[in-house]
Amino acid sequence: DAGITQSPRYKITETGRQVTLMCHQTWSHSYMFWYRQDLGHGLRLIYYSAAADITDKGEVPDGYVVSRSKTENFPLTLESATRSQTSVYFCASRLAGPSYNEQFFGPGTRLTVL
Amino acid sequence: KQEVTQIPAALSVPEGENLVLNCSFTDSAIYNLQWFRQDPGKGLTSLLLIQSSQREQTSGRLNASLDKSSGRSTLYIAASQPGDSATYLCAVSPIQGAQKLVFGQGTRLTINP
Repeated sequence: DAGITQSPRYKITETGRQVTLMCHQTWSHSYMFWYRQDLGHGLRLIYYSAAADITDKGEVPDGYVVSRSKTENFPLTLESATRSQTSVYFCASRLAGPSYNEQFFGPGTRLTVL
Repeated sequence: KQEVTQIPAALSVPEGENLVLNCSFTDSAIYNLQWFRQDPGKGLTSLLLIQSSQREQTSGRLNASLDKSSGRSTLYIAASQPGDSATYLCAVSPIQGAQKLVFGQGTRLTINP
């Protein structure tokens, strides 16, 4: 199916474990983003990527690693999960150019760190 | 630093009413503003995108306006229906760092049958 998908949709893990959240889009959008959504903080940008092999930090990057070897995939890795990383994670994508900054979001991954 | 505020945090109205949701931002240097809808446990659905040069955008029963100089946007929903119940988020794309979106915390809307 066309669009933007995330996997897994739900994940429970333990403190200290490595976790990778996957994001895949079929639109060939240049830009991809990872956000986390928490009560009281709203949506905050973790990392973004302007193209394959180009990534940059957002507002809350600590504890996260990203890579983008292919345009369509943008995985987010928590190298050593902490309880404070319990959140709902959203991936988004858009075309290049600020005039096209209509972002499209995936369904989210609900992550619980015990 | 750009900040986006949405007031009220929650709103409950009877079915059939017209209503307005508010969004304000602190820095008028933006490329555009986007309104989203989020249903419980779901992702965000883009509703309307207004470029900085535009004053309003319409889609069906939705009309969004933008007053960049005063740092305000409104989302007008006509003839509200129970299916409109959701959280509505606005987000701006600042000229400084245009690839990012800065979000408000949303207005949770409930339409009562």
